[in-house]
Amino acid sequence: GDSVTQMEGPVTLSEEAFLTINCTYTATGYPSLFWYVQYPGEGLQLLLKATKADDKGSNKGFEATYRKETTSFHLEKGSVQVSDSAVYFCALNSMDSSYKLIFGSGTRLLVRP
Amino acid sequence: ETGVTQTPRHLVMGMTNKKSLKCEQHLGHNAMYWYKQSAKKPLELMFVYNFKEQTENNSVPSRFSPECPNSSHLFLHLHTLQPEDSALYLCASSQLPTSGYNEQFFGPGTRLTVL
Repeated sequence: GDSVTQMEGPVTLSEEAFLTINCTYTATGYPSLFWYVQYPGEGLQLLLKATKADDKGSNKGFEATYRKETTSFHLEKGSVQVSDSAVYFCALNSMDSSYKLIFGSGTRLLVRP
Repeated sequence: ETGVTQTPRHLVMGMTNKKSLKCEQHLGHNAMYWYKQSAKKPLELMFVYNFKEQTENNSVPSRFSPECPNSSHLFLHLHTLQPEDSALYLCASSQLPTSGYNEQFFGPGTRLTVL
């Protein structure tokens, strides 16, 4: 079945460092891909999405490019801030059922001043 | 109110209690979801409602009973829970996909502790 694999955390960075959180997927067809973020004590918020190959999603300085050849959707940010500390979830929309989002296990990011 | 709201935000209950979690969406969506988020485990989809009809039940124990009286409200009724049911319960809503993807909007969650 469809699945999402994320790098294990926690990822600890200093402020203004470059961030990469790896995400790879297994799916039939052409799924849509998402990054959600969960700040402490809150629910999940959609950070960005890409719905077809080579699309680049971007929001709040974060970017991710839908790479079908490598089945990847890595999250990047050029200069992280303390306020970016959160848990990041990669997800795909399963083509088996358009109701289901398949989530990765999440990667905790800690940014130190 | 905007987005997806959940009440209560925190709940502590004994194993013999009966309680309910409430979710309301103000987005005009027609599908609603319950998820369970436990420490060190992936998000687990529990139930899906599509136009008030339950379309998915992912082998959830019967001590969890969902109710969807209309497309804006979703409840999760709890009874005789176990300590391992302690988790963050998240509600989400979406508009059924018309363009091939399903963007879900989440509430802040209810942190449940079962003693």
